[in-house]
Amino acid sequence: DAGVIQSPRHEVTEMGQEVTLRCKPISGHNSLFWYRQTMMRGLELLIYFNNNVPIDDSGMPEDRFSAKMPNASFSTLKIQPSEPRDSAVYFCASSLALSGTDTQYFGPGTRLTVL
Amino acid sequence: QKEVEQDPGPLSVPEGAIVSLNCTYSNSAFQYFMWYRQYSRKGPELLMYTYSSGNKEDGRFTAQVDKSSKYISLFIRDSQPSDSATYLCAMRGDSWGKFQFGAGTQVVVTP
Repeated sequence: DAGVIQSPRHEVTEMGQEVTLRCKPISGHNSLFWYRQTMMRGLELLIYFNNNVPIDDSGMPEDRFSAKMPNASFSTLKIQPSEPRDSAVYFCASSLALSGTDTQYFGPGTRLTVL
Repeated sequence: QKEVEQDPGPLSVPEGAIVSLNCTYSNSAFQYFMWYRQYSRKGPELLMYTYSSGNKEDGRFTAQVDKSSKYISLFIRDSQPSDSATYLCAMRGDSWGKFQFGAGTQVVVTP
């Protein structure tokens, strides 16, 4: 199994530009999570989906952030326009379902730098 | 106040020592407790999972949950340099609740 795949692994962009992060969950997993990790705030849940439907987006910091899951094997997190404070590592994770016993498997992350 | 508190460290121990990590939490509804290990520039990976109170052992790792004190612990016996990583606790309430993560504790095991 290839695990959770994220692309790009590194992204450097200038303030005001649109950034799109991509994620392919593990095949057969029905739940997908987007996290952001910074030294100051730790690991924060931004949004999660179940069966391609957004369940909770209360962690999305502001309207500049949006996420989609058009099918079971692909999700995007978009930031438009990007700001320097968005610089962080963004992780995607997937799990079989949302039950308490299900393990979340994390991807390698996308390291975003906004200049 | 954060729902989950975890000392960021760093915690430095000599090889072979016992590593003791812990988290405290404020939400009495939490029932599912996990420990993740994160190596530098990698995603977190699940180490241990426990439901409700009690102990769980897996090789050199032991997880303990004390719901009455709202306190969870992870012990690593016979620590190795390869155990050097950041350890994050995570917890959730009902089956559909989102995980709350601790800030992570950086552990350094010196040869």
